[in-house]
Amino acid sequence: DIQVTQSPSSLSASVGDRITITCRASQSINRFLNWYQQKPGEAPKVVVYTASTLQSGVPSRFSGSGSGTDFTLTITSLQPEDFATYYCQQTYSTPRTFGQGTKLEI
Amino acid sequence: QVQLQESGPGLVQPSQTLSLTCNVSGGTINSGLYYWTWLRQPAGKGLEWIGHIYISGSTTYNPSLESRVTIAIDTSKNQFTLKLTSVTAADTAVYYCARDVVGTAVLQNWGQGTLVTVSS
Repeated sequence: DIQVTQSPSSLSASVGDRITITCRASQSINRFLNWYQQKPGEAPKVVVYTASTLQSGVPSRFSGSGSGTDFTLTITSLQPEDFATYYCQQTYSTPRTFGQGTKLEI
Repeated sequence: QVQLQESGPGLVQPSQTLSLTCNVSGGTINSGLYYWTWLRQPAGKGLEWIGHIYISGSTTYNPSLESRVTIAIDTSKNQFTLKLTSVTAADTAVYYCARDVVGTAVLQNWGQGTLVTVSS
């Protein structure tokens, strides 16, 4: 299985801040990495797919980058609704493994 | 807009079989554009991909669960199912069904999730 290591596991920030979350894959996965946002009691929602493609309807303050083994999700100018847990997922091969999650807190 | 909804028992006895159904509405399950996927999430923990099925009936499972998992599809009912045998407390989780777009492999649509507790 491809292991995906996500960091940090938690992050404290304020409204208006810029934050970055990283994921590192145990082998090259090209650009086959997606980012999901999950709020308590809800199912995850995709925010970025194939490393850098913004899901329709997701604000442009979200962006993704990277290829190979190293990827980042950046949120500029944090808004109150952005505080959630974020997961990366590699889709290069099955099983489609997830990072451990990053809880973004105020 | 397609919607997915999980259903099934919320409580399963240890060593028994967990059975869940995902009903798909607002779109046909009989499409070659998607994989139909099951995932789970223990309370307070991360997401685990269980496996998926294609319209042809072809399945791929997580090797960690493969010996106990069966995913099936019923196009006449526009639904797909999950069976997990010989469950233990470690299988207690919120179970999600989702639609995975072939090519991008993005889980674009999710059910709301259903909590399954394994306990006597």
